Parts: sequence; structure tokens; C-alpha cells
Amino acid sequence: KQEVTQIPAALSVPEGENLVLNCSFTDSAIYNLQWFRQDPGKGLTSLLLIQSSQREQTSGRLNASLDKSSGRSTLYIAASQPGDSATYLCAVRLFPISNFGNEKLTFGTGTRLTIIP
Amino acid sequence: DVKVTQSSRYLVKRTGEKVFLECVQDMDHENMFWYRQDPGLGLRLIYFSYDVKMKEKGDIPEGYSVSREKKERFSLILESASTNQTSMYLCASSLAPLETSYEQYFGPGTRLTVT
Repeated sequence: KQEVTQIPAALSVPEGENLVLNCSFTDSAIYNLQWFRQDPGKGLTSLLLIQSSQREQTSGRLNASLDKSSGRSTLYIAASQPGDSATYLCAVRLFPISNFGNEKLTFGTGTRLTIIP
Repeated sequence: DVKVTQSSRYLVKRTGEKVFLECVQDMDHENMFWYRQDPGLGLRLIYFSYDVKMKEKGDIPEGYSVSREKKERFSLILESASTNQTSMYLCASSLAPLETSYEQYFGPGTRLTVT
């Protein structure tokens, strides 16, 4: 059974610093990995999706890397801003095993990030 | 942009009531999902649907049922609400398996309280 872990559960850093969020998973036979952001009381916003054949994806100040063999992904946030404060979730999708694929996402419990002005 | 909407942001119901949570997506996605999110447990899949009138159980289907009569709409039904169903409910949609990413797009969530 796939298990996804995000450590630490909470992180506070001063504004302007670069930071790294971690995600680890137990089954390396993943199809892709998706990073989400969730603001308090709100839904999830997709940030980046990395296919299993990719090593990293970038969007603005965000860079996500994937090391399938070690079961790890990181989300790098450059020059952090107070608006980056949110909970960050990673989710993995196993490789499709049928015509309908394996649609199930397995989520980590998230890292709550606070950027201190 | 993909838009996934949910009928209510906040809902308060009494134990034993029948509760309907509605989700609508406007991007002609084949797949739709219902999750619940609880502190310390993360997001857990309740049901998903890969086509009209088709459904599959997720990890925690007990106490729930779903309905998908039209492609754009996926309903979650609590036949007899209980206090342990107090939670944040999130709907999501994605394109069908022939697409390469299956990227899921989420709605804003419904905070359900059962008293």
C-alpha cells in the first residue's frame, strides 16, 4: 500500500529565505506526483505535476524535483513571501494498470508553511 | 481555466438527515472524485466516477453513496448523516485515462457539520 509522508508537519521561515519542502513515498512505481497548495478553509490549487519520466518541473519561484528510485520529491520555493503561507500537499498516482488507469491519488498530510514578515 | 464548483461552502445538518453535496465541473472531464479531509488524516477518497452512471468505491465509501446522471455533475449523498461525517468535503475532476497526466482539479470545498 502506497504511503506518502511529509515532514515536517509545520515550518516557519523569515520572508526572503529559500526553503525546501519534502515528500517521501513508499512505492516507487508511480505514474506522476502532484504538488498542491491549500489556503485555510479552501480547496486545493495544483502547483506542479511531475511525470515519472521527469526529474523536475519549474513554475515561477517554484521548483519540484522527483527521485523515483529513492521515493522522494522536494518542492523548492525561492525568495519566500508572506503570500506563500499555506499548507502544501504532495500526492502520488500509481502507474495505470488498466484502460481506465489508476485514478487514485494518495496524499500526504501536508506541511503547513508560515512565512514571517 | 478548469472550474469546479461545489453547491455550498458551509453546511450544518442534524444527525439522521439525508444530505446532498453537489459538484459541477465545466471542462467536460470524464473523471470526478469525492474526498474528505480531516486533521491528521489528510485527504481520503470516498468515491470516484469515470463516466456517467459509473462509479467506483474509494478508500472510505461506508455511509456514502454517489450519483452521476450527467457528465458535468457528481453528487455525494449521506443517507443518514452522523456526527463522524463532520468534515471538509472536496470534489475534483480530471480528464480520462487516454490523457497523459490525469491532473486533478479541485473545487473550493464544503465544510459540513453534523450536530
